[in-house]
Amino acid sequence: DAGVIQSPRHEVTEMGQEVTLRCKPISGHDYLFWYRQTMMRGLELLIYFNNNVPIDDSGMPEDRFSAKMPNASFSTLKIQPSEPRDSAVYFCASRQRELSEQYFGPGTRLTVT
Amino acid sequence: GESVGLHLPTLSVQEGDNSIINCAYSNSASDYFIWYKQESGKGPQFIIDIRSNMDKRQGQRVTVLLNKTVKHLSLQIAATQPGDSAVYFCAENAAGNKLTFGGGTRVLVKP
Repeated sequence: DAGVIQSPRHEVTEMGQEVTLRCKPISGHDYLFWYRQTMMRGLELLIYFNNNVPIDDSGMPEDRFSAKMPNASFSTLKIQPSEPRDSAVYFCASRQRELSEQYFGPGTRLTVT
Repeated sequence: GESVGLHLPTLSVQEGDNSIINCAYSNSASDYFIWYKQESGKGPQFIIDIRSNMDKRQGQRVTVLLNKTVKHLSLQIAATQPGDSAVYFCAENAAGNKLTFGGGTRVLVKP
């Protein structure tokens, strides 16, 4: 398996623009997680899905952030409008079942100028 | 005011020596723990996990110890190699399927 796939790997955009981050989880994994990592706050869970259904979005910073999982092999995290404070590395991770290993993708480094 | 980033504790270890990385977790109800390794520019990489009904688990060159009495987790790396240089995170699963991550420890391996 290729592991968790994320795209793009790097994104530079101007404040106010819409940003869409993409993730393909490992095949057969029922859980998908979106994280954000910054020097200030470390690794934070934004939202997670189980069988394509959003279960907990309490970590989503504000209404500018939204996430979808239209099918078992694809998820998006959208920021609209983007702000400089959204600059971070965004990771997607997947897990097969409860209490099992969670595997991370390589991340998308987002820079908002 | 000036923003201050997370200050990562650093463990410097001589190549070939054993490393011990410690982690204090917060929730006594946590039932599952994972150690991750993160190299610069990469995503966290799964190393080893342990469930709360165990107090020790061994992998290849790594051992995780769990002390539920004092809510302490440690990762031991045997015969540390230059490739072990990275930031190491512990994570606990306390509620549902949400992992809470620690702040991380930077390991520097000296040749």
